[in-house]
Amino acid sequence: QVQLQESGPGLVKPSETLSLTCTVSGGSISSPSYYWGWIRQPPGKGLEWIGSLYYNSGSTYYNPSLKSRVTISVDTSKNQFSLKLSSVTAIDTAVYLCARWDPRGGSYYFDYWGQGTLVTVSS
Amino acid sequence: QTVVTQEPSFSVSPGGTVTLTCGLKSGSVSTSHYPTWYQQTPGQAPRTLIYSTNTRSSGVPDRFSGSILGNQAALTITGAQADDESDYYCVLYVGSGISVFGTGTKVTVL
Repeated sequence: QVQLQESGPGLVKPSETLSLTCTVSGGSISSPSYYWGWIRQPPGKGLEWIGSLYYNSGSTYYNPSLKSRVTISVDTSKNQFSLKLSSVTAIDTAVYLCARWDPRGGSYYFDYWGQGTLVTVSS
Repeated sequence: QTVVTQEPSFSVSPGGTVTLTCGLKSGSVSTSHYPTWYQQTPGQAPRTLIYSTNTRSSGVPDRFSGSILGNQAALTITGAQADDESDYYCVLYVGSGISVFGTGTKVTVL
């Protein structure tokens, strides 16, 4: 059973960089079958896709509205992938979730999710 | 920028049927968008109900079904139960590795 767990600071100051890590267990992040992504949900609001990464090609895909501030990377030695979001403001306050994306056979959906971690942007 | 629209809320009686829709502000939804439907209760991660338009995820009751209705994706709950009271999100794949979440629909069962 694949499990994902987010970790990182729960409080980030405005204008600084938000950094989170997702640790994957029960499966390899270097599997050629899957992508790995980040999604966020501001308190009381809907879900927003941030971006995804495909380890085997090194390709990354980002939400156009966040592209200039987002970097997703992978550390295969730790079976982890990470999110960095720069120049944060209060509107970046949200629960951040990591997930596995399955494109096999034309599925194209997030099949396993972490529980999420709340990041608050405040001075 | 792609905008995916959903009804803000729906109310359904226990045992009743409700159909939620998922549209594009500009254009039509087709199977090529591989519509996915997630169910989310407060404080929990989303749960996959339907992927690739109409494929039920493992363990999902058959009262949940997905389809394309006209120019929108649709999720139908037939025989609604109290524990179906949740938020429902659709997601469309728009190509180039990009997924777009809908605005979400809050379903109340009463």
